[in-house]
Amino acid sequence: DFQMTQSPAFVSTSVGGTVTITCRASQFISSRLAWYQQKPGKAPKLLISAASNLQGGVPSRFSGSGSGTDFTLTISNLQPEDFATYYCQRADSLFWAFGQGTKVEIE
Amino acid sequence: QVQLQESGPGLVKPSETLYLTCTVSGGSISGSSYFWGWIRQSPVKGLEWIASVYSSGDTYYSPSLQSRVTISLDTSKNQFSLKMTSVTAADTAVYFCARGPDYPDYVVDSWGQGALVTVSS
Repeated sequence: DFQMTQSPAFVSTSVGGTVTITCRASQFISSRLAWYQQKPGKAPKLLISAASNLQGGVPSRFSGSGSGTDFTLTISNLQPEDFATYYCQRADSLFWAFGQGTKVEIE
Repeated sequence: QVQLQESGPGLVKPSETLYLTCTVSGGSISGSSYFWGWIRQSPVKGLEWIASVYSSGDTYYSPSLQSRVTISLDTSKNQFSLKMTSVTAADTAVYFCARGPDYPDYVVDSWGQGALVTVSS
């Protein structure tokens, strides 16, 4: 059974800090990995596709890297609007599958 | 810019059938190279994909739910719908309708605002 494993589940940091979130796929997915941001009461928003391609309008403090099975989302110089939950998603299959999420909280 | 809007009952009784509809505006669901699908979110299971339908009408289902769900397109109304039978409390969740492009990147690039569905007697 294919799985996307995100870590950590929670992370606390302060405004201006840096956060790194990892996502591990149970099978090789090349660079076919997406990242989403979700704020309370809202739908997820696509941030990054193809592991590292920022969507239009996404600030450059967001960056993605990785390929194969291990991927990273880094948020630098955290701003108040970045405190949210982040999800990874395998993008090599039309069977959309998401990680369990990482909640970024204010320290 | 395409917009998606879910509609359906907020409360469904156990063992009954849930019907949800997604109305799409700002773009046509037919003749486009997109998948139109349903994703639900609950505290227990997180984001869970349920089913998708391609603009051609081809359908795809989550193996864990395929025995209970049907997804369909209504091109005349620019809508797509989900039918889920024999619901239980475990089906209580926020249901999102969504759109995603075809190969190579099967991402979800547009989402509805979400509709809370509670299964309770």
